[in-house]
Amino acid sequence: RKEVEQDPGPFNVPEGATVAFNCTYSNSASQSFFWYRQDCRKEPKLLMSVYSSGNEDGRFTAQLNRASQYISLLIRDSKLSDSATYLCVVNNPTGGFKTIFGAGTRLFVKA
Amino acid sequence: NAGVMQNPRHLVRRRGQEARLRCSPMKGHSHVYWYRQLPEEGLKFMVYLQKENIIDESGMPKERFSAEFPKEGPSILRIQQVVRGDSAAYFCASSGGLAGDNEQFFGPGTRLTVL
Repeated sequence: RKEVEQDPGPFNVPEGATVAFNCTYSNSASQSFFWYRQDCRKEPKLLMSVYSSGNEDGRFTAQLNRASQYISLLIRDSKLSDSATYLCVVNNPTGGFKTIFGAGTRLFVKA
Repeated sequence: NAGVMQNPRHLVRRRGQEARLRCSPMKGHSHVYWYRQLPEEGLKFMVYLQKENIIDESGMPKERFSAEFPKEGPSILRIQQVVRGDSAAYFCASSGGLAGDNEQFFGPGTRLTVL
């Protein structure tokens, strides 16, 4: 089992749609969680951190379920500019530094 | 405040040559991370360095790869005797404190092509 697994995608949605990505992680000791966005052939950029209480930033909502070891990202009212690959990122503190990126889920938003 | 800088942006090498990739962290950042991304795959952690120290190199291949972050100058990822399988995008990131507590800022990457 991979340490961080994401929906395989790609997701093809029309503008205005709501889309949800899920991510599961295997290490119950994981301490911090993030969603990054990566545009084609560009560097990843932090989209938002994920907290147990959930957090919202405009059209984006991230949630963490520690009991089930999964993280979600919800995008409401999709825009064409949301088209990108979304990366789930988990930090494990044990055994030294270890940041694990999921393989990413590609989103295509169509007009 | 300049972001993370990497050079070269594109690097072409023939099999057996050496590749040297450079990364200048964001001003004020002392934590540097190197990642490799193969086509259509996620980022794989390679090594974490602070000034003059390798903190975690658990993601580095055992042979041909080395990294340093000297007291002065950029961090260097060095690949000796490159093979075609080394072709990938190599991203450097930096943070002001330990990642996990602090956001990592990524450079634009170096795309290595081995002929």
